[in-house]
Amino acid sequence: DAKTTQPNSMESNEEEPVHLPCNHSTISGTDYIHWYRQLPSQGPEYVIHGLTSNVNNRMASLAIAEDRKSSTLILHRATLRDAAVYYCILRAPKGSSNTGKLIFGQGTTLQVKP
Amino acid sequence: DTAVSQTPKYLVTQMGNDKSIKCEQNLGHDTMYWYKQDSKKFLKIMFSYNNKELIINETVPNRFSPKSPDKAHLNLHINSLELGDSAVYFCASSQDRGNLGQPQHFGDGTRLSIL
Repeated sequence: DAKTTQPNSMESNEEEPVHLPCNHSTISGTDYIHWYRQLPSQGPEYVIHGLTSNVNNRMASLAIAEDRKSSTLILHRATLRDAAVYYCILRAPKGSSNTGKLIFGQGTTLQVKP
Repeated sequence: DTAVSQTPKYLVTQMGNDKSIKCEQNLGHDTMYWYKQDSKKFLKIMFSYNNKELIINETVPNRFSPKSPDKAHLNLHINSLELGDSAVYFCASSQDRGNLGQPQHFGDGTRLSIL
């Protein structure tokens, strides 16, 4: 399984942008890059995903390096409610043995200070 | 209008008992999953069903048996509960159109404690 590497923890100030990095040097050409987050006492929540191009949605932006070996999740204005564990996950193509699996790593625990 | 709902939310029981956790999704998805999150907070997939057919079965003891009566439901039955089964169990669903971009939607978890 292709692995991802994230910092264990990060801190941010409220209303400032946050850049959460993820390294995935063994990514294959067809792996999608997914980001989920888990707030305390809740199930994981989908944030964003992409393949090659940068992506934006109402929650965040995803910047993918040209060689796809790293990506960055960008929260444009962190709020206290964004404090969570953020997981960067590679999702394998249909037909592989990993189809549909989300393989969670340790994630990055984001603390947001008021 | 909860999308993925699990019952019960909390389950406290004695070692050796048999228990079931139920999951229902009202999103019209055709793929459902069970994940386990242990005390160290690692989330790991256990099973996945697509249109009532088992498609992912990780190395899980035979004491765990998923059952999908229809594509909106995926229940998890656990026999002879052991202390190591204490964890939070999450159900999830996704729409599998063959496009791997489809996100998974998770329930809020069932916290299982074995005494």
